[in-house]
Amino acid sequence: EDQVTQSPEALRLQEGESSSLNCSYTVSGLRGLFWYRQDPGKGPEFLFTLYSAGEEKEKERLKATLTKKESFLHITAPKPEDSATYLCAVQAGNNNDMRFGAGTRLTVKP
Amino acid sequence: GAGVSQSPRYKVAKRGQDVALRCDPISGHVSLFWYQQALGQGPEFLTYFQNEAQLDKSGLPSDRFFAERPEGSVSTLKIQRTQQEDSAVYLCASSSRDRVTGELFFGEGSRLTVL
Repeated sequence: EDQVTQSPEALRLQEGESSSLNCSYTVSGLRGLFWYRQDPGKGPEFLFTLYSAGEEKEKERLKATLTKKESFLHITAPKPEDSATYLCAVQAGNNNDMRFGAGTRLTVKP
Repeated sequence: GAGVSQSPRYKVAKRGQDVALRCDPISGHVSLFWYQQALGQGPEFLTYFQNEAQLDKSGLPSDRFFAERPEGSVSTLKIQRTQQEDSAVYLCASSSRDRVTGELFFGEGSRLTVL
């Protein structure tokens, strides 16, 4: 069965303190891995799509990377406005759905 | 509209009541998805529409759950005889693509509480 595991569950950083979030996956026939950001009381907001091992995408202070078993979301010099839950999702085989991880709740303190 | 709109934002139901949750996708978006999100968890897939056709309903947890999109735009998720375990946020998402991709636009969700 396809599985997506995110770690850590929660992460507290000081403003400017860089770190990485992990998404480990076990799927058959990965079609894509996706990162979303979710603020409290809101729906997820799309950040990145990664399709193959070695691929990297960047957006402002965020950089997503992909290997055959996991993806990392690197946050460089985070700001308080980066505080949110970051969700990883995978799409595999002929499935119509995306399987989401439970997310990492990031708090950046000023 | 500018984004995906869901209503009501909050719904409290007594156990056994029927509820209907509405989703207005972004105009012209072909694909529409419903997800269920429990507190502290990621969204879980319920069902997928391409225009008015429901192509996948494999995630619907029971026959008490029913979704429709009769004209290929607005969609309604109906839950009959609600149970406490149905309490969750129900998210709707849409996409301009006619094939399933991960680049979805989500609404803010409808939070259902069953007492």
